[in-house]
Amino acid sequence: SQKIEQNSEALNIQEGKTATLTCNYTNYSPAYLQWYRQDPGRGPVFLLLIRENEKEKRKERLKVTFDTTLKQSLFHITASQPADSATYLCALATDKLIFGTGTRLQVFP
Amino acid sequence: DTAVSQTPKYLVTQMGNDKSIKCEQNLGHDTMYWYKQDSKKFLKIMFSYNNKELIINETVPNRFSPKSPDKAHLNLHINSLELGDSAVYFCASSQWGLAGSSYEQYFGPGTRLTVT
Repeated sequence: SQKIEQNSEALNIQEGKTATLTCNYTNYSPAYLQWYRQDPGRGPVFLLLIRENEKEKRKERLKVTFDTTLKQSLFHITASQPADSATYLCALATDKLIFGTGTRLQVFP
Repeated sequence: DTAVSQTPKYLVTQMGNDKSIKCEQNLGHDTMYWYKQDSKKFLKIMFSYNNKELIINETVPNRFSPKSPDKAHLNLHINSLELGDSAVYFCASSQWGLAGSSYEQYFGPGTRLTVT
């Protein structure tokens, strides 16, 4: 069966550390993978898109990797801040976006 | 200046009623979507319209009927509401790419529907 799993429901880290979130999938062959941020009571906000032929993508403190052999994407936030606290969603892009279950990140001072 | 707007933000209604949610985008996109986010925060696509034509219709009860009067608007009408319809409904829009979902999507603020 097709599945998208994000490593944990919640991740707590200290300010200044690097947060690493994992997205694993089975039985999909996405051409693209996207990451979104969702704050409580709001809609998801697009962060980064990575193509299947790209190994890595960066944007400011954010970095995404995409390993189609391992069927895994890693999402890193370096020098994390309390303002980075939110739920992060990975989404596989086929003919539609298929979202993972999300990881709630809490950055504490 | 809101890119994707939805009305209403909250909707509380009784079982058996019919209700509608409206969505508008001012981004000039040609594709719009409806998503449902359940109590476990799982976000799942329901429908997608490209240039006013239905292109994605997931296994959604036919009590749900989307309508796109033009490229900038996508409404969702729900008949005979049931308790299980309680969720947050998000509208989104994007450009349309050759690989379907190759472009980022812009989401509205959501409509929290509570059926009692």
